[in-house]
Amino acid sequence: GAVVSQHPSRVICKSGTSVKIECRSLDFQATTMFWYRQFPKQSLMLMATSNEGSKATYEQGVEKDKFLINHASLTLSTLTVTSAHPEDSSFYICSARDLGQGIYGYTFGSGTRLTVV
Amino acid sequence: AQKVTQAQTEISVVEKEDVTLDCVYETRDTTYYLFWYKQPPSGELVFLIRRNSFDEQNEISGRYSWNFQKSTSSFNFTITASQVVDSAVYFCALSGNNAGNMLTFGGGTRLMVKP
Repeated sequence: GAVVSQHPSRVICKSGTSVKIECRSLDFQATTMFWYRQFPKQSLMLMATSNEGSKATYEQGVEKDKFLINHASLTLSTLTVTSAHPEDSSFYICSARDLGQGIYGYTFGSGTRLTVV
Repeated sequence: AQKVTQAQTEISVVEKEDVTLDCVYETRDTTYYLFWYKQPPSGELVFLIRRNSFDEQNEISGRYSWNFQKSTSSFNFTITASQVVDSAVYFCALSGNNAGNMLTFGGGTRLMVKP
């Protein structure tokens, strides 16, 4: 089946530094990828939707200059958390749409647990 | 706008009990899909089921069963003879064609199965 590889799985960084999270579709082309954030004991909240070759669409309240999304190829999307602060500590998870499963086919990465100290 | 409500935030049962997780949704779309995911402590999302709005047949897969009632906008999930390994957070989600096909998640239900 469709597989999405997300890494790193865990990262600890110092406040003020930037962190890049990668999300790769391994056996299918993902024209659309979604990035979610999940705080402890809360649900997944959509941060942004990215389509290959175009700018990402951010949800209300998500700072696009802080959370940089690049979807330069059909198999790779990256999320860069710039100038990270402790309040950015969260679980980030990507999802790719696999058109082979139809427009409602979503495959999730395994998530990245970010801790900013 | 679409919305998913999982009224039960936490459920605790003893092994071998049956348990039903409730999910109620709102959407203006006529075409939509409903999903259930399991999130164990490790964090990854495990896909359980996808059901389209035109298929109201109930589904059974092993100890899992789903009851889709369009009339009440509900898509409930039952685990029969629960096991400790079923302990996880379960999310119900909705994707409709007028919402850009993005997934909207419910708040999740934390299920604890005690031995």
